[in-house]
Formats: sequence, C-alpha cells, structure tokens
Amino acid sequence: TQLLEQSPQFLSIQEGENLTVYCNSSSVFSSLQWYRQEPGEGPVLLVTVVTGGEVKKLKRLTFQFGDARKDSSLHITAAQPGDTGLYLCAGSNQAGTALIFGKGTTLSVSS
Amino acid sequence: DAGITQSPRHKVTETGTPVTLRCHQTENHRYMYWYRQDPGHGLRLIHYSYGVKDTDKGEVSDGYSVSRSKTEDFLLTLESATSSQTSVYFCAISGGRSGNTIYFGEGSWLTVV
Repeated sequence: TQLLEQSPQFLSIQEGENLTVYCNSSSVFSSLQWYRQEPGEGPVLLVTVVTGGEVKKLKRLTFQFGDARKDSSLHITAAQPGDTGLYLCAGSNQAGTALIFGKGTTLSVSS
Repeated sequence: DAGITQSPRHKVTETGTPVTLRCHQTENHRYMYWYRQDPGHGLRLIHYSYGVKDTDKGEVSDGYSVSRSKTEDFLLTLESATSSQTSVYFCAISGGRSGNTIYFGEGSWLTVV
C-alpha cells in the first residue's frame, strides 16, 4: 500500500519565521504534487515536481523532490498570515489513475 | 476557477436513509473523483471514473456507489447512510491520468444523525 507521511501535523509560528514541511514515503512516485487548502474550500494545486532532485520556487515557497523520488519538502521563507492553511502532498496511485494524499500539515501564522 | 459544482453543499440526514451527492463539471474532463475528508485521515479516495459508465473503487468504497451516465455528471450514492459517513465530500476532475492537475469542487458537508 502506498502511503504518504507528512510532518509535522500541526505548525504554529510567528510572522517572519521560516518553516519546512516534509512528505515521505517508502514508495517511489513518478511525481508529487503539493496542494493548499483553506477552510471551507477545496484544495488548490501549488506545484508538481517530476524529476528526482528537482527544486521549484513559487515566490517565498520552495519545493524539492528527493533524489530517489520517495520524498518531498516544502520550505516557506518569512511566513505571512496569508500562508495559513492546510498543506497537502499527493502522489499517483500505482495504476496512475488517481491521487493519494498525505494527511496534511495545518499551518497557522500569527502576526 | 474550474467549472465544478457540487450539490447539495450541506445536508443533514438520518441513519438508514439513502443520500445522493451530485458533481457537475463544465470542463469536459475525462476523469472525475469522489474523495472524503476527515480529521486525522486526510483526503481518501472513494470512487473514480475514467469515462462515461467507466468507474472503479478507491480505498474507502464500502457503503458507496457511483454512476456516470454523462461526461459532465458524477453521482455518489450512500445507499443507507451511517454515522461513520458523516464527512466532507469533495468532487475532483482531471483532464488526464494522475500527474495532471486535479481541480476540486468546494465540498459537500454531510451529517448523518
């Protein structure tokens, strides 16, 4: 069974701090995606990483795909209250027909 | 925003009653999915469809059935609702196999009392 483990589960920080969220698995994934979800809404795609070792940047967010394509990380620099939300990583199931999700990291950034 | 409409958005029903949730898309995407989201469990796949009348089970399909008679509509039915099916249900669509972007609807909050 493919599993994606996210850590930490909860993170509460002050505005301006840096943070890293991790997504780990014992399985190899052809790609991993990161989503952000706000209360009362559906998840929204932030980025897809495809190549082992790949690094993608989205403003203050940096995403990295592990060399072995079993893990990924999301680093936020100088967090802002607007970054508050649930961050989810997701990868293709073995059949390539659907995404499986980690349980998510709930981030709270206070001013 | 992707053209995905879920209905109803909120519903309270009694144990043992049938419930149908509807997902309607205007994007003509081939793949449609139903997920449920629960605290401590994250998003879990219930069923998905890869075309009209083509559906398959996800990891938590027991107690649920689906139908897709038209490209744009994907129905999720709880034949006899139980309290364990109280959850937030998300419909999602994708133009291709996973690895492509998946777009989510706004969710349907179901409470079974």
